[in-house]
Amino acid sequence: QKEVEQDPGPLSVPEGAIVSLNCTYSNSAFQYFMWYRQYSRKGPELLMYTYSSGNKEDGRFTAQVDKSSKYISLFIRDSQPSDSATYLCAMQEGAGGGNKLTFGTGTQLKVEL
Amino acid sequence: EAGVAQSPRYKIIEKRQSVAFWCNPISGHATLYWYQQILGQGPKLLIQFQNNGVVDDSQLPKDRFSAERLKGVDSTLKIQPAKLEDSAVYLCASSLGGLVEKLFFGSGTQLSVL
Repeated sequence: QKEVEQDPGPLSVPEGAIVSLNCTYSNSAFQYFMWYRQYSRKGPELLMYTYSSGNKEDGRFTAQVDKSSKYISLFIRDSQPSDSATYLCAMQEGAGGGNKLTFGTGTQLKVEL
Repeated sequence: EAGVAQSPRYKIIEKRQSVAFWCNPISGHATLYWYQQILGQGPKLLIQFQNNGVVDDSQLPKDRFSAERLKGVDSTLKIQPAKLEDSAVYLCASSLGGLVEKLFFGSGTQLSVL
């Protein structure tokens, strides 16, 4: 079993839809949870991160963590064609340097006009 | 602020040849990472530097891969000899450090081994 599982998609939605992207994990030591966005032929860029369980909102994006279920989600409201990209979840065990990130495989999202 | 610079952008080689990638991180970022991203997969950490020193190289295939970070700034990653399964995008990232590792990635070098 992989430490982090993510549905690879592709996921295709119409413009304006609410998108839900999810990851599950097996390592209960993960404390920090991130979402990266990767456009084609580009490196990933950090969208947002959360610590432990709970929700965090940033504009049209909401990150949700449920540590009891080992499940994290990223919601995108009012999706736009510019949101078309691959979304990678990433997780970190402890705080500070030396704690490597474990990435999911990424979900490819396409938002169509 | 300039981002993470990587070169070359693309490289095509034959198996058993050698290849080197170069990375210049964001100024002031002490931590530098090399990741391997195979098509359809998430990035996999190869090596992490903190200034000049290696923090984690547990997933670096040391019989063929080597990396160095000179004077705590630029870094090179080398593969010698290359295998077909080394075909991937090699991403360099840097971070300032802190509680959460916020990585800034370069655009990567796409390597094709024929």
